[in-house]
Amino acid sequence: EIVMTQSPAALSVSPGERAALSCRASLTVNSNLAWYQQKPGQTPRLLIYGAFIRATGIPARFSGSGSGTEFTLSISSLQSEDSAVYYCQQYNDWPLTFGGGTKVEIK
Amino acid sequence: QVQLVESGGGVVQPGGSLRLFCAASGFTFSSFGMHWVRQAPGKGLEWVATISYDGSNKYYVDSVKGRFTISRDNSKNMLYLQMNSLRAEDTAVFYCAKDKGGGVVGATNNFVFESWGQGSLVTVSS
Repeated sequence: EIVMTQSPAALSVSPGERAALSCRASLTVNSNLAWYQQKPGQTPRLLIYGAFIRATGIPARFSGSGSGTEFTLSISSLQSEDSAVYYCQQYNDWPLTFGGGTKVEIK
Repeated sequence: QVQLVESGGGVVQPGGSLRLFCAASGFTFSSFGMHWVRQAPGKGLEWVATISYDGSNKYYVDSVKGRFTISRDNSKNMLYLQMNSLRAEDTAVFYCAKDKGGGVVGATNNFVFESWGQGSLVTVSS
């Protein structure tokens, strides 16, 4: 099983600042990596797939990078509505696995 | 637009059975792979099962193999999850999710959870 490790577990950022969320895979997942956002009490939403491709309707302030085992989700100019838990997910091999999540709080 | 509506959740005793339903609309259901993903209370996301667009291929996380069965009826735009021998650790919100592709191994960007339903809560407790 490919284990996905996200860091940090939580971070607090001021509005307008930039956040960088890390996701590390225990084995290479090539570029088969997706990011999801889950706001409190809401269903998850696809942000990024293919490591860097923004899903339909996702603002340009969300960007993904990386390949192999190291990936980053960057959120530039954070807004209050970006407060959420962010999960990475690999789809390179079975079982499909998620990271434990990074909780982003806006100060 | 894409709409996924889960139903069938509830409270069941350990060892019991439950069947979840997911009604899909707003897209060509028979062209896309479908998934079940669960989230235990206060915990993260866990993939449970996947079925390809035509139902010919099914995949499960090890913890549910032999107990859960995913199926679909493309004539009714419905996805199902039959859950048997339920355990306390199966307690979770179960989400139905649409794949970005057909759910075919080797196809680019398949097995991405593009759209999600609102979820159905399953509680296993005596």
